[in-house]
Amino acid sequence: QSALTQPPSASGSPGQSVTISCTGTSSDVGGYNYVSWYQQHPGKAPKLMIYEVSKRPSGVPDRFSGSKSGNTASLTVSGLQAEDEADYYCSSYAGSLGVFGGGTKLTVL
Amino acid sequence: EVQLVESGGGLVQPGRSLRLSCAASGFTFDDYAMHWVRQAPGKGLEWVSGISWNSGSIGYADSVKGRFTISRDNAKNSLYLQMNSLRAEDTALYYCAKSPFSGGSCLFDYWGQGTLVTVSS
Repeated sequence: QSALTQPPSASGSPGQSVTISCTGTSSDVGGYNYVSWYQQHPGKAPKLMIYEVSKRPSGVPDRFSGSKSGNTASLTVSGLQAEDEADYYCSSYAGSLGVFGGGTKLTVL
Repeated sequence: EVQLVESGGGLVQPGRSLRLSCAASGFTFDDYAMHWVRQAPGKGLEWVSGISWNSGSIGYADSVKGRFTISRDNAKNSLYLQMNSLRAEDTALYYCAKSPFSGGSCLFDYWGQGTLVTVSS
């Protein structure tokens, strides 16, 4: 039950796009389409941004998109805005278990 | 409006027990799976345990298996986490999280604000 692998940090200027990767194994990311992404601002609870690899909950801007190839999932934030600066976590179903990535701190320069 | 309110956290000595509760409102509680997720101070999220809508399917992280027990009372719209043999590494903010499905998936669409558990002598 190892954590998914995310880069510790990512950055971009306002208006740019940034992609955060999330690498697992065939037992989690690669084996199921239950990959989700969460945004967490300091002192706040996480917020669901993407579910089932690429679906956006109501209210999440379409600047946020998700994809998956093999054992690696990705979150892309397009048209970066100041309020996108936060920690981002990926998560995957792993057959009756759940697993998170270590988190990526996104900085808007 | 979906609301999840955790309670029961506090300071506890290593080896002792604590029971967390999560009061749910704003949705049909017994339609959905529920989970506990924790976050150690300054660290990332860690899935702890999940329970299906009817308690028929339950899972635990390896780090808590055999020490923690998840349960739910659908009549009281409540989720629980019984934590025994607590260790310093269990110190964390514990979140109650709702799934949009009745079981499986480990997907969390609503979160509470968390209850802090500190294990220290």
